[in-house]
Amino acid sequence: AQSVTQLGSHVSVSEGALVLLRCNYSSSVPPYLFWYVQYPNQGLQLLLKYTSAATLVKGINGFEAEFKKSETSFHLTKPSAHMSDAAEYFCAVSGPWDYKLSFGAGTTVTVRA
Amino acid sequence: GAGVSQSPRYKVAKRGQDVALRCDPISGHVSLFWYQQALGQGPEFLTYFQNEAQLDKSGLPSDRFFAERPEGSVSTLKIQRTQQEDSAVYLCASSGRDRDTEAFFGQGTRLTVV
Repeated sequence: AQSVTQLGSHVSVSEGALVLLRCNYSSSVPPYLFWYVQYPNQGLQLLLKYTSAATLVKGINGFEAEFKKSETSFHLTKPSAHMSDAAEYFCAVSGPWDYKLSFGAGTTVTVRA
Repeated sequence: GAGVSQSPRYKVAKRGQDVALRCDPISGHVSLFWYQQALGQGPEFLTYFQNEAQLDKSGLPSDRFFAERPEGSVSTLKIQRTQQEDSAVYLCASSGRDRDTEAFFGQGTRLTVV
């Protein structure tokens, strides 16, 4: 079984500041890891995914995440926050032959002008 | 359409009423998933179809929940005798045949049971 824990349900950053969202996973098999973004009244949109290739994964909108097996982490970062980054972010995990995703509880990001 | 379409977007049901939620996946996508997202929580897996076959229904919370995809395209999630704890956003997602293809999510149906 796989699971993820997102540390911090709310993160507030200033525009132009670093965005760091934390995700730790638990998996008995090599994990596939994902970050999704959800804007109000919208579905989930995939930001990036790790599927056992390069450990540093670059996604859309300037986001990236690094897979660290020793720390069982997959933290999401963006060097400079933009107002449009205000949304809810979900980390998710699946197994390499699994089709279903296990999501964290989510982190809401607010961006201060 | 270009994306996953769900209807209705909002549904208010009286406790005990039956509801049916519809999902139109992206054309040609063989995999279809239903997730339940309670307020302030992440989505939780309900069920999975590959074409018309329901391969996994382990996440359905009770026998009041039933899903079907009879022709391998449109899917319906039915909830019988709704209860207040069924209030949530129900998300549908579809993906292609390849294991590594992205799952695309619909906007969801927000169900409120009063």
